[in-house]
Amino acid sequence: DGGITQSPKYLFRKEGQNVTLSCEQNLNHDAMYWYRQDPGQGLRLIYYSQIVNDFQKGDIAEGYSVSREKKESFPLTVTSAQKNPTAFYLCASSMAAGVGDTQYFGPGTRLTVL
Amino acid sequence: KNEVEQSPQNLTAQEGEFITINCSYSVGISALHWLQQHPGGGIVSLFMLSSGKKKHGRLIATINIQEKHSSLHITASHPRDSAVYICAVRGRGTSYGKLTFGQGTILTVHP
Repeated sequence: DGGITQSPKYLFRKEGQNVTLSCEQNLNHDAMYWYRQDPGQGLRLIYYSQIVNDFQKGDIAEGYSVSREKKESFPLTVTSAQKNPTAFYLCASSMAAGVGDTQYFGPGTRLTVL
Repeated sequence: KNEVEQSPQNLTAQEGEFITINCSYSVGISALHWLQQHPGGGIVSLFMLSSGKKKHGRLIATINIQEKHSSLHITASHPRDSAVYICAVRGRGTSYGKLTFGQGTILTVHP
């Protein structure tokens, strides 16, 4: 089955620790995205990647880092510099990062920092 | 003021009712998306519109570019339609697939 997987579904970390969220897709999509969702707010773009070995900051990149070493994988690291890391994180991919491309979303990871 | 505003924020209906969710945006766009988020959190793309109207089963999406407004209609609503419905727009001239999202409309359909 083709799709996007995110793991784990729930993640708990202590304050001050870095944590990496996994995102894998087998849709052969070039573009991948990370979003953050907070209650009562729309999704906000953290980082995106149009192609392997390239990525760009989104609207709220501070305190986050990413890598895109493989087409299938786009892991997100939430660093200790992120002031409010507790949120729901969604990964998405699209065939290309252009007009008219539908984004396909993963199931999300709910991160709670204690 | 957000670039994308949805109304209502919360909507409760009885099974069988006709439902309308509205989305207004303040920027020029190349496309508008309607998404559905189920309680578990996963998001599914319902429609992508740049003009006119699209229909899929009991769902109908319309867009009026001049008025910068889109509506999502659900006919003969069912409890399984209960979800968060999200409007998202892609700005004109955006060289990548960046979307700006509304805050979502929480729909609850009672049997």
